[in-house]
Amino acid sequence: NAGVTQTPKFQVLKTGQSMTLQCAQDMNHNSMYWYRQDPGMGLRLIYYSASEGTTDKGEVPNGYNVSRLNKREFSLRLESAAPSQTSVYFCASTSGTQRREQYFGPGTRLTVT
Amino acid sequence: SQKIEQNSEALNIQEGKTATLTCNYTNYSPAYLQWYRQDPGRGPVFLLLIRENEKEKRKERLKVTFDTTLKQSLFHITASQPADSATYLCALDRNNAGNMLTFGGGTRLMVKP
Repeated sequence: NAGVTQTPKFQVLKTGQSMTLQCAQDMNHNSMYWYRQDPGMGLRLIYYSASEGTTDKGEVPNGYNVSRLNKREFSLRLESAAPSQTSVYFCASTSGTQRREQYFGPGTRLTVT
Repeated sequence: SQKIEQNSEALNIQEGKTATLTCNYTNYSPAYLQWYRQDPGRGPVFLLLIRENEKEKRKERLKVTFDTTLKQSLFHITASQPADSATYLCALDRNNAGNMLTFGGGTRLMVKP
């Protein structure tokens, strides 16, 4: 099993450009999440999908959109990138049952100039 | 407001000693608490989960305690090794729907040989 995979690993954008971060999991998990991690701020939840077909805002959703394409895939889109969105982005998943631990991908390091 | 606090200063200890990391929280009544390990450039990895009705949980050299009266969790690594050097994150559940977690900022542990 590959677990949680994310693409790309690194990305540099100019202000105003758009891009989509891809995430996929092969563990048949119900719930998926997008976080950003900034120095001194810890991990902050952007959006989550409790199950296929549903998405909800997390703590810092402004400037982002998500799509739960199917049970395996959950993408994060930046429509018009801003320097404040420079961060490391992590995707995670969990089975959504009694096993509550989250499995994280390797992250995408995004720089917006 | 809800807050999770971990010591932002690095903890330096000698190999073989016990490392103790602290996680304090306010304005939460979590049903469970989790600890994760994060190595530089990688996503967090789940270590242990402890429920509100459990006082202590052990896994190999790891021990977690959870005091809901003090609103505090302690994470211990006994017989520490240089390979234990990493950042350790605590996380509390936000609610039982969607399995959302709120993460602390993490504490960096350095184990010196």
